[in-house]
Amino acid sequence: QLQLQESGPGLVKPSETLSLTCSVSGGSISSAGYHWGWVRQPAGKGLEWIASLYHSGNSYYNPSLKNRVTISEDASRNQFSLKLTSVTAADTAVYYCARHTLVAVTGKAEFDLWGQGTLVTVSS
Amino acid sequence: QSVLTQPPSVSAAPGQKVTISCSGSSSNIGNNYVSWYQHLPGTAPKLLIYENYKRPSGIPDRFSASKSGTSATLGITGLQTGDEADYFCGTWDSSLTGVFGTGTKVTVL
Repeated sequence: QLQLQESGPGLVKPSETLSLTCSVSGGSISSAGYHWGWVRQPAGKGLEWIASLYHSGNSYYNPSLKNRVTISEDASRNQFSLKLTSVTAADTAVYYCARHTLVAVTGKAEFDLWGQGTLVTVSS
Repeated sequence: QSVLTQPPSVSAAPGQKVTISCSGSSSNIGNNYVSWYQHLPGTAPKLLIYENYKRPSGIPDRFSASKSGTSATLGITGLQTGDEADYFCGTWDSSLTGVFGTGTKVTVL
C-alpha cells in the first residue's frame, strides 16, 4: 500500500528557506498517470495548493507563491521536495504532500493519497 | 488562499442529512471535475468523491455529490458521530493551478 511521509524542520526563522521532503513507500513516483504535490493549511484556514510535478515532466506552481517555491524530485530515492524561500509568519502551516491525478484536457484532478502532514512554524 | 467558497459549518442530529455547497467560477468548477475530502484534525485528508460524484472504493454510499454549473454539493445521509470532520471541495483551475474550498465543519448534534 502506497504511503507518503513528510519530513523536515518544524521551526524556520523568518527570511530563511523552508525545506521539506516527501518520502514515498509502497509505490514509485515514476508511476505513470500520477502527479505529486504539496498542499498546506494554516491554522484555522482552508487548504492551499502549493505546487505539483510529474516525474521527469512538467511542474506547476501556485501563482501567489511561484516566485518563492521550487518543487523537485529525486527518483532514485523515491522522494520529492519543496523549497520555499524568504518565509514569514504567514507561511506557518501544516504542510501535506500528496499524490494526485491530473488530466488537463478533461479537467480531472483529485488528490487520492496524502501524507499525515508536518507542522512548520516560522518564528525567530 | 481558498478560491472556492463553502459554508463555515453545518450541523444535524444523528441519522439526519447535511449538505455542503461549494461555489466557484467558470475557470475552475465550471469546466473541471470536482472532488471532495474529509479531514479529521491531525490526520491525512481522505478522498471522498472524485469526478463530481464518484466514490472511491470503501467510501459508503451515505456520501453523495453533484455538480451544476459553477457549484457543487456534497451530501451526507444517515449522519454518524464519526462523520464529524472538516470537509473540503477541490478542483483544478484552467490556469493550471489546484484550488480548494474554504472548508466546512460538520457537527453531529
